[in-house]
Amino acid sequence: NAGVTQTPKFRVLKTGQSMTLLCAQDMNHEYMYWYRQDPGMGLRLIHYSVGEGTTAKGEVPDGYNVSRLKKQNFLLGLESAAPSQTSVYFCASRLQGKGPDTQYFGPGTRLTVL
Amino acid sequence: GENVEQHPSTLSVQEGDSAVIKCTYSDSASNYFPWYKQELGKRPQLIIDIRSNVGEKKDQRIAVTLNKTAKHFSLHITETQPEDSAVYFCAAIFDYGGATNKLIFGTGTLLAVQP
Repeated sequence: NAGVTQTPKFRVLKTGQSMTLLCAQDMNHEYMYWYRQDPGMGLRLIHYSVGEGTTAKGEVPDGYNVSRLKKQNFLLGLESAAPSQTSVYFCASRLQGKGPDTQYFGPGTRLTVL
Repeated sequence: GENVEQHPSTLSVQEGDSAVIKCTYSDSASNYFPWYKQELGKRPQLIIDIRSNVGEKKDQRIAVTLNKTAKHFSLHITETQPEDSAVYFCAAIFDYGGATNKLIFGTGTLLAVQP
């Protein structure tokens, strides 16, 4: 049981390049989230998904797209990377259920855009 | 809109002393308040949480208190140890009856425990 995994762990891009970050979970969780973490700003929600085939915008969705084609995977795409997207990206998942529940985080992806 | 403020941003204590981190939230409908610990270069991990139907919860050296009237909650760590050094994040959530929920995080507190 690997929990929540993310690939890649590190990436350096040039401005204008594109890439996809992959989040995978093997806990059969219904809900998945993408956050970015910047110094002094905590974690901010980019996009989230409440089930396979569904996605929704979070606090800071501009410049990102997501897809949830399979329940266990949640992809975050950057079509045209900008230096402002330099950040650490965390994926999280949560088991659907009544009431609030714990979110489990992946190990993070450190992205630098030059 | 939903907002969570966290103070202080940095906290330095001597080993064995207590540490207190405070958060306030804006949405009076928030009903779940987790605390995460993040060690350098690692993922955030849940250390304790509290729901709005209780005022205090303890787990060994860690406790969380909630004041719903004032809309604030606090993390208390007693008998601090060097391994408690990390960034701590509070968060608040409004549970939309199971349809979805979104965590709103505070900006974090860097706790340094001096040996």
